[in-house]
Amino acid sequence: NAGVTQTPKFRILKIGQSMTLQCTQDMNHNYMYWYRQDPGMGLKLIYYSVGAGITDKGEVPNGYNVSRSTTEDFPLRLELAAPSQTSVYFCASRDRDRVYEQYFGPGTRLTVT
Amino acid sequence: AQKITQTQPGMFVQEKEAVTLDCTYDTSDQSYGLFWYKQPSSGEMIFLIYQGSYDEQNATEGRYSLNFQKARKSANLVISASQLGDSAMYFCAMRENLNTGGFKTIFGAGTRLFVKA
Repeated sequence: NAGVTQTPKFRILKIGQSMTLQCTQDMNHNYMYWYRQDPGMGLKLIYYSVGAGITDKGEVPNGYNVSRSTTEDFPLRLELAAPSQTSVYFCASRDRDRVYEQYFGPGTRLTVT
Repeated sequence: AQKITQTQPGMFVQEKEAVTLDCTYDTSDQSYGLFWYKQPSSGEMIFLIYQGSYDEQNATEGRYSLNFQKARKSANLVISASQLGDSAMYFCAMRENLNTGGFKTIFGAGTRLFVKA
């Protein structure tokens, strides 16, 4: 099992550009999450999904979009990048029946200048 | 709204000594769970320990134990026999139930632990 993989690892965007952060898990997990971590802070939930075709907003969804067409993939889209979106982005997944085993990807470090 | 508070931005501990990292939480749910994660300088999030609100005994995982005091709404992490490799950021987190089923995780701001040789 590769677990949760994220691409790219690093990215620099100019203001107004768009990009998609990829997240894939090979554990057949129902639940997937996107978090952002600002410097010196904990993680904040952007969007989550409880299964293919079902997504919902977290605490800080503005400026982002997601889709979940398959169980494995949960891409995060930034349409008009802003400096406030400079952060480290973590994708995570969890099996529906295993409450505490949330697996995190390695993160994507995004800088918007 | 649910909230996690970690009041110690940074902590120092001597190698081989025990250290307690504080965490208090606020929730109106009867059923909830508390987590601790470790984030080393490499950036990945590593799950350490979990405590369910109905668990009668404090959770333990190797050198990690969770001092769960429900009435005080605290869930402190105790690391025994600190090692240099324990130097990292530690996050307390809480399970918040979702209307759609399942849960999301609310994180505290973190405590950075420095282990001195």
